[in-house]
Formats: sequence, C-alpha cells, structure tokens
Amino acid sequence: GAVVSQHPSWVICKSGTSVKIECRSLDFQATTMFWYRQFPKQSLMLMATSNEGSKATYEQGVEKDKFLINHASLTLSTLTVTSAHPEDSSFYICSENKLGSPYEQYFGPGTRLTVT
Amino acid sequence: GENVEQHPSTLSVQEGDSAVIKCTYSDSASNYFPWYKQELGKRPQLIIDIRSNVGEKKDQRIAVTLNKTAKHFSLHITETQPEDSAVYFCAALNTGFQKLVFGTGTRLLVSP
Repeated sequence: GAVVSQHPSWVICKSGTSVKIECRSLDFQATTMFWYRQFPKQSLMLMATSNEGSKATYEQGVEKDKFLINHASLTLSTLTVTSAHPEDSSFYICSENKLGSPYEQYFGPGTRLTVT
Repeated sequence: GENVEQHPSTLSVQEGDSAVIKCTYSDSASNYFPWYKQELGKRPQLIIDIRSNVGEKKDQRIAVTLNKTAKHFSLHITETQPEDSAVYFCAALNTGFQKLVFGTGTRLLVSP
C-alpha cells in the first residue's frame, strides 16, 4: 500500500497567492523527505531535501524564499509556493527513503499545481 | 554534480518485440541505479534497480545491465505488451549525498 501521501492532489490558484502542499509519511517516521518538480513532458528535478527539525537544503537555482519547506514533525513535510506565478505551474512530488534503506525512495502521488 | 543522459527520447515497438533504453552517468561515485515507469499524471513507480556491485539483474520480462567502467546502464524489456506503454526514467544516486538524479525520460509506445 501507499507509504507516502500528498494533499491536495491538484490545486488551482490565482497568480500572487500562496499554496501549501503536504507530504505525509504513512508507515514510519521519516527524518528526510525530498521535493521534486516535474514540468509537462519533462523529467523530475530535485528541488530540495527536507530535514526534520532543521532547515531544508535547496538545489542550485531553487529560490528558498519562494519555495518554503517545513518539516516540523517526523511524518509531515510541507512545501509552500509563495506568490505563485503561472511559470510555477507544475507537478510537485515528494518522496522518502524506504525504511532502513539509503537507496530506494517511495514517491508520493504528486500535486498538480495550476496558477492562473 | 551528477548528470544522467537517456536515449532514446521516444521508442515505438510492436507488441512482443523487445525494447532497450540506455543511460549514461557522469559521477563515478554513484552507486545505485533505479528505473521508474511513470504513467500520465501518476507518480514514478520503481520497476527495477541495480547497485554498483552487480552487473546485471533480471525480474521476469525486465532486466537491467550496468557497466561501471563505461558508466552506462540499460533497461531491457522483452515480450512487450501494450500496458508497458509509459514514460520510463533512469536515475543515479550517490548514497553519500542522497541525491537522486533522473534521466530525461523515454516515452515507450507498444502497439498491438
């Protein structure tokens, strides 16, 4: 069964508003979660690594003040897209490592964000 | 950093034929190479993976080969079926950095 959930599955918002996406670990406490972005017909690109109780590590080119990540508990990481613009429209996917494995990652079902 | 290239970008085969997708990576420290299948609007699903201490792995109709010297790995699907149609992504991971880098994807179309 699913081990990672995301909410919402899709969201439409107006330009300039903020949107929060939740990623929950269902089967164990994940100290690290990963956030990816996937534009239409493109690959997944790692945006940031979310660490419980500490600041997220952002990939080069990802604005940390625009994409706020909070990992306040071992089962929940949130991504807030602030002042969203149409170019932020994308598929956002979180993942976590399989329990006890530094290799395999479980992906959430993704959140489709459309900014009008 | 790691860079993963994937070819071809699209692949059309007839049902029953074999399909091969190839990837190359740049970071010799990468030690885990998964393959994902992604259907439209869905999450990537792990279909097979291989670690750097193994040269080949097979799971029913799917196999993956790894050439560490040449830094390339390939996905082989035999006896393809229409339900194999999807986008396939290779990826490389350096467990020291915990950063999964994806290839550009291959759209596979299996015609009945």
